Amino acid sequence: DTGVSQNPRHKITKRGQNVTFRCDPISEHNRLYWYRQTLGQGPEFLTYFQNEAQLEKSRLLSDRFSAERPKGSFSTLEIQRTEQGDSAMYLCASSPRDKLAKNIQYFGAGTRLSVL
Amino acid sequence: AQSVTQLDSQVPVFEEAPVELRCNYSSSVSVYLFWYVQYPNQGLQLLLKYLSGSTLVKGINGFEAEFNKSQTSFHLRKPSVHISDTAEYFCAVRTGTASKLTFGTGTRLQVTL
Repeated sequence: DTGVSQNPRHKITKRGQNVTFRCDPISEHNRLYWYRQTLGQGPEFLTYFQNEAQLEKSRLLSDRFSAERPKGSFSTLEIQRTEQGDSAMYLCASSPRDKLAKNIQYFGAGTRLSVL
Repeated sequence: AQSVTQLDSQVPVFEEAPVELRCNYSSSVSVYLFWYVQYPNQGLQLLLKYLSGSTLVKGINGFEAEFNKSQTSFHLRKPSVHISDTAEYFCAVRTGTASKLTFGTGTRLQVTL
C-alpha cells in the first residue's frame, strides 16, 4: 500500500506565472484534502473532496486558486498569477471510507513552492 | 470553532531524558485528536490518534499521549528520547462535524547529547 504521492516535490516559479500540483491519494481513499503550510506555522486547511465533489473550501482559497478531482482519484491544485505570498509547502492528505478511520488523514511529502 | 494551542515553540532535551510536549484544544463538541511529526523538508507522519475508547493512547517510536477532557488537553510524552526524535511536532484536532484538521503552531523538539 503506497502512501500519498505528490508531484513535483519542489517548484520554483516567477511571480505572475501559473503552477499546477498533483496529488495521488492512497488507493481506495475517497476523501482528499489540501493544506498550505508557511514557515514556522502548522498546516492550514484549503479544500476537501469526497470522491469527485469539492465539499468545502477555505477562505484562504482565493479566486486565483482552483482544485479539481475529476474522476475521484488524483487531484490537482492550480495557482494562477502567482504572488510571492503564495510561497509555501502545499500538503495533500487522504482518508478512507470507514466510519471511524475516515477521521484519520494521511499526508504526502508535500510540494514546496518558491515564487521569485 | 475549533482551535489548538501548543504552549512551547521549542523544547530542548538531552538524549535519554523524558519529554512532554503540551497541547490544549478548544471545542464545544466531541473531538478527535492527533499528533503528527514532521522531519525537515518532509510531510507529516501520524504519531498517534485518539478517536474513542481508552484515554491513554500509544503511538509509534515509543510515544504516548493522554486525552484529558476536563483539562481539554492531549499532551505527548516519551520516557526516553533519542537523537532521531529531533523534529517538529504538531497537535491537531478534528470535531465530529468538521472535515478539516486544525493544527497548532508546532513544537520543535531538539535532542542533544
